[in-house]
Amino acid sequence: ILNVEQSPQSLHVQEGDSTNFTCSFPSSNFYALHWYRWETAKSPEALFVMTLNGDEKKKGRISATLNTKEGYSYLYIKGSQPEDSATYLCALAGNTDKLIFGTGTRLQVFP
Amino acid sequence: DAGVIQSPRHEVTEMGQEVTLRCKPISGHDYLFWYRQTMMRGLELLIYFNNNVPIDDSGMPEDRFSAKMPNASFSTLKIQPSEPRDSAVYFCASSPLSSYNSPLHFGNGTRLTVT
Repeated sequence: ILNVEQSPQSLHVQEGDSTNFTCSFPSSNFYALHWYRWETAKSPEALFVMTLNGDEKKKGRISATLNTKEGYSYLYIKGSQPEDSATYLCALAGNTDKLIFGTGTRLQVFP
Repeated sequence: DAGVIQSPRHEVTEMGQEVTLRCKPISGHDYLFWYRQTMMRGLELLIYFNNNVPIDDSGMPEDRFSAKMPNASFSTLKIQPSEPRDSAVYFCASSPLSSYNSPLHFGNGTRLTVT
């Protein structure tokens, strides 16, 4: 059974602060790690798909790193803005095409 | 492209009734996934298809749930009979390639309420 854990569960930051959160997964059964951003009343939108140990991806002020040997990925947001407020989900693809999601980190950015 | 289209957006039904949720994936996408979102479990995979063939339905809660994909452009998730504990948001998602390479594209979801 693939267990994907995210921490913290929720996070409140001030506009302009940089922040990061963690996704942990079993390193023994890794094929790919996805990050999604999920705004309230919308559907999840893909940010990154990462496959290689040491991978680092960036989209604007958001970046992610991957450590497949120790089983974690970090998502960073530089200079948080109120529009970054959302739930950030990670998901693990193991040795099948199944994508198992964590429960997410809910980020609230206050102006 | 219009994206993944789900219908209806909202469904309210009484316990015991049959419910059918519909999904049209993005054209050319070979993979289709059905997820259920609940407060307790987050996004839970129910079943997924590759080239219209069900590959893994181990997440389907029980025999009351069934899913079909009769062709590349249409899938249904049916609950019969429905129960209050089935109340949740059901998402359909598609992707062109395996999840090893390609992200999922989600529909807007169907909010199901069973009274």
